[in-house]
Amino acid sequence: DTGVSQDPRHKITKRGQNVTFRCDPISEHNRLYWYRQTLGQGPEFLTYFQNEAQLEKSRLLSDRFSAERPKGSFSTLEIQRTEQGDSAMYLCASSYMPPDGYTFGSGTRLTVV
Amino acid sequence: QQQVKQSPQSLIVQKGGISIINCAYENTAFDYFPWYQQFPGKGPALLIAIRPDVSEKKEGRFTISFNKSAKQFSLHIMDSQPGDSATYFCAASKGNTPLVFGKGTRLSVIA
Repeated sequence: DTGVSQDPRHKITKRGQNVTFRCDPISEHNRLYWYRQTLGQGPEFLTYFQNEAQLEKSRLLSDRFSAERPKGSFSTLEIQRTEQGDSAMYLCASSYMPPDGYTFGSGTRLTVV
Repeated sequence: QQQVKQSPQSLIVQKGGISIINCAYENTAFDYFPWYQQFPGKGPALLIAIRPDVSEKKEGRFTISFNKSAKQFSLHIMDSQPGDSATYFCAASKGNTPLVFGKGTRLSVIA
């Protein structure tokens, strides 16, 4: 068990481009969460999955954002037509028995130029 | 609206002193209150958590005090060390819903 892995660690993209991030949770965890964190702020909830089912999406998640968790294993978060306001740290977390035991990855830092 | 309000935004404590960070919440349905610690370039890591059936929980130098009637909970770090310098987040959730986080407190412990 190597914890929650996120890839890439850093991504710089031009405005209008699409980006995709990947999260590999702890293998026995059935829940997977995506959060966004901007400088000086706490993590803000985006969406979460239980196994392969996406159970909730935040109002923060505009229709440019989409997340998947095929087969209940890894997850991807895609942002289409990126905007400068999308620049943030995107954090993934997983857990087995919510709410206990959230384990966060180190995040993907997105910079939109 | 912000569901969990955290204070102060930043805190400077002398080595060996006590660091105290406070959180207030509005939703009385919240039933799980964790504190997370985050170092630069890393994701938050669970430090300690409490449920409303107890008023205090202690793990090593870290203590959570919980006041259900005031809808407040706080983190106390005893004998603060330079290695405790980090950003601390309180959070809350009800049932199986995702955690909501405070805005964070940047702690600096100086020698």
